Amino acid sequence: GQSLEQPSEVTAVEGAIVQINCTYQTSGFYGLSWYQQHDGGAPTFLSYNGLDGLEETGRFSSFLSRSDSYGYLLLQELQMKDSASYFCAVRDDYKLSFGAGTTVTVRA
Amino acid sequence: GAVVSQHPSWVICKSGTSVKIECRSLDFQATTMFWYRQFPKQSLMLMATSNEGSKATYEQGVEKDKFLINHASLTLSTLTVTSAHPEDSSFYICSARLAEYEQYFGPGTRLTVT
Repeated sequence: GQSLEQPSEVTAVEGAIVQINCTYQTSGFYGLSWYQQHDGGAPTFLSYNGLDGLEETGRFSSFLSRSDSYGYLLLQELQMKDSASYFCAVRDDYKLSFGAGTTVTVRA
Repeated sequence: GAVVSQHPSWVICKSGTSVKIECRSLDFQATTMFWYRQFPKQSLMLMATSNEGSKATYEQGVEKDKFLINHASLTLSTLTVTSAHPEDSSFYICSARLAEYEQYFGPGTRLTVT
């Protein structure tokens, strides 16, 4: 089975940097994805790491260390619109298993 | 980007009735679609994998006779909640697989069973 852990909540001010860690224990592993979900909305794809290292997409970056079963999502230059839930998800072949989600609250 | 739609976006039904939810990939073909269930403030739980032209694969603990899945074409999968009960009230989200690690999610359907 799959087990993912990530913090439940993070609060930060506009312009700050937030790092959301994700550790996982899985029976199979192809890669780690990150999704953003606003209240009542659909999850939207943010980033994917199939190999170790850092992937950068605009203000968002994601990192993976397969040997440590660990990854993180880095949100830079936080904006109010970044207030949402963020999920890490392990890809096992074609299926995704999601973590419980981290609620990010951005304050003015 | 790839677009996935769901219909209806919300539905209220009476206990004992059945509800059908449609998931469509609008600008790409998807041989594989997924159905998830999400309770408030919780994670997405995979219910089943829907493969075009074949039977769906259900996750452990999901009743296949209660949650009927049909993937009749490369752009449409349907989930029917049969004999719905209040405990089936939830947010149901589908996703369609575009490429190896790319899944695109629909906007979700909020089901309330009274």
